[in-house]
Amino acid sequence: EPEVTQTPSHQVTQMGQEVILRCVPISNHLYFYWYRQILGQKVEFLVSFYNNEISEKSEIFDDQFSVERPDGSNFTLKIRSTKLEDSAMYFCASSPRPPSGLNTGELFFGEGSRLTVL
Amino acid sequence: AQSVSQHNHHVILSEAASLELGCNYSYGGTVNLFWYVQYPGQHLQLLLKYFSGDPLVKGIKGFEAEFIKSKFSFNLRKPSVQWSDTAEYFCAVQSYNTDKLIFGTGTRLQVFP
Repeated sequence: EPEVTQTPSHQVTQMGQEVILRCVPISNHLYFYWYRQILGQKVEFLVSFYNNEISEKSEIFDDQFSVERPDGSNFTLKIRSTKLEDSAMYFCASSPRPPSGLNTGELFFGEGSRLTVL
Repeated sequence: AQSVSQHNHHVILSEAASLELGCNYSYGGTVNLFWYVQYPGQHLQLLLKYFSGDPLVKGIKGFEAEFIKSKFSFNLRKPSVQWSDTAEYFCAVQSYNTDKLIFGTGTRLQVFP
């Protein structure tokens, strides 16, 4: 069964460093997402990406964050200058269909990348 | 703004006990509703979803959920839990004009043999 894969599974970094989290969505999917879960808190939406551009982003997704689909298979999340509060589990997800009323697509999630900022 | 409330943060049950996890959402328009499960060390997996039609939906592993529009609720149920159901359960809502999911805080279920 096809699945969303994420690397690294765990990254430890110093505050102020740049981090890139990588995701390989399911190959025929069209929509891509990043969510994060701070320890003990809810899973929060960060950004959605379709047709090589951001389609929606949350207030969390500020100028320190960026996303890219550099080569048609990878989907990356970059944090330019990490802060302590960026420590979280970051989940990538993909969906086969764009929003189309009631039949919006199911999201398929990866196993997550745990980011620890020291 | 949309929000999802899961009232049970931590539930402890013995095997064969019945389960009901509450989920309420706030959104005035048409929504799709989901329950995801996260087993220890694994990714979020879809348990079941409601888009339209019969408000009682059945998912994998014997789970079901009932959408009650008047109560803005989508409670998850299972008549007899197993040790392997130990996991974190997340309710999520998706509004009509976006596929962004809004998650609840999750309910940690521990089932003891």
